[in-house]
Amino acid sequence: GAVVSQHPSRVICKSGTSVKIECRSLDFQATTMFWYRQFPKQSLMLMATSNEGSKATYEQGVEKDKFLINHASLTLSTLTVTSAHPEDSSFYICSARKAGQGYNQPQHFGDGTRLSIL
Amino acid sequence: AQKVTQAQTEISVVEKEDVTLDCVYETRDTTYYLFWYKQPPSGELVFLIRRNSFDEQNEISGRYSWNFQKSTSSFNFTITASQVVDSAVYFCALSEMSGNSGYALNFGKGTSLLVTP
Repeated sequence: GAVVSQHPSRVICKSGTSVKIECRSLDFQATTMFWYRQFPKQSLMLMATSNEGSKATYEQGVEKDKFLINHASLTLSTLTVTSAHPEDSSFYICSARKAGQGYNQPQHFGDGTRLSIL
Repeated sequence: AQKVTQAQTEISVVEKEDVTLDCVYETRDTTYYLFWYKQPPSGELVFLIRRNSFDEQNEISGRYSWNFQKSTSSFNFTITASQVVDSAVYFCALSEMSGNSGYALNFGKGTSLLVTP
């Protein structure tokens, strides 16, 4: 159990395009989902915390108008990179925590989305 | 400030050697959780272990073992008799009660392990 599906797995698009990435919890409900970004050979850095039914909480330095997060249901959070530029090229990975579980439980990660902006 | 430090950026060993990946963390909480994740070249994160701050018992799972030393704020990971399939980037992570809302994970920078035949 505890499967998180992330789609698409890879995106290559032109500069200026907006890209939507979906993160779904397939067999559990997730009140909280997290979006991380990982540049090549770097660690995973938290971008934002997505809460079902409310606004996302963004980390310092992450532009909320550029990285739009929507968490409309207990099983789906989306990250939209608006007007993407080459510097946005990165590996984006989401994770989800089961509803009712706290910080001591492992987060379940999607397989990531490799975004390449030409 | 970096809360999780993995000082070893890259390690290369020959198959069947034992290898230890170091992890040092920093927190003011008395209750916290530590994790290890494996990231193979394909990119997905594979959960390996979770340890709470009150349990300092070492843990062994097959060829994997973990040594948690609260006194030195370390949570080291040892692979015994390494295999080529162990080649991956390994991340140590910290989850704190007093952290940001939702308790996201603070990851170390990762250690890239290469096991050669």
